[in-house]
Amino acid sequence: DTVLTQSPALAVSLGQRVTISCRASKSVSTYMHWYQQKSGQQPKLLIYSASNLESGVPSRFSGSGSGTDFTLTIDPVEADDIANYYCQQSNELPLTFGSGTKLEIK
Amino acid sequence: QVQLQQSGAELTKPGSSVKISCKASGYTFTSYDISWIKQRPGQALEWIGAINPGSGGTGYNEKFKGKATLTVDKSSSTAFMQLSSLTPEDTAVYYCARGSNWEGFAYWGQGTLVTVSS
Repeated sequence: DTVLTQSPALAVSLGQRVTISCRASKSVSTYMHWYQQKSGQQPKLLIYSASNLESGVPSRFSGSGSGTDFTLTIDPVEADDIANYYCQQSNELPLTFGSGTKLEIK
Repeated sequence: QVQLQQSGAELTKPGSSVKISCKASGYTFTSYDISWIKQRPGQALEWIGAINPGSGGTGYNEKFKGKATLTVDKSSSTAFMQLSSLTPEDTAVYYCARGSNWEGFAYWGQGTLVTVSS
């Protein structure tokens, strides 16, 4: 299985830029997607195929990377962005998710 | 608009089975795979498997083979997941989601909480 590794938590000040990283145990090409999950809600797709902004998602969110290293950037961070962020690969079965990064405010 | 409406919360006993549903609307049901995803309290997301509603073909995460069975009813545009031989470790929120390799999971159900307790 492709293991996706994320930092457990990040603290950021409002209005600043934050990058959330995801490292895959093997190449997933650009079949990497990013989700935001707020407490008690279902995940919401932010970025698909590494760098494509999902319709309706603010342009403050962007994604980059290919192969094994990927990043999700939020610039600037707003209070509404406090959530857990998950990466997910669809290059091979089983589909796998990262363990999630909890974004906190300093 | 695309919607995935899941069935309500279930409280079940160890050793029993439960079948939860996911009713799709707003698109052609047979055109997209439906996946099922597990999330234990405070934990990350785990992909259980997927079904192609058109063909009925399925793919499972090895971890969930024998635990989950995926089916569909095309006449009602509804996907089902049956979980068997339940244990407390099966207590989780289960989501259905519509997606593709290229697009990720763009649409999710609201989740169904399954609680296994004696």
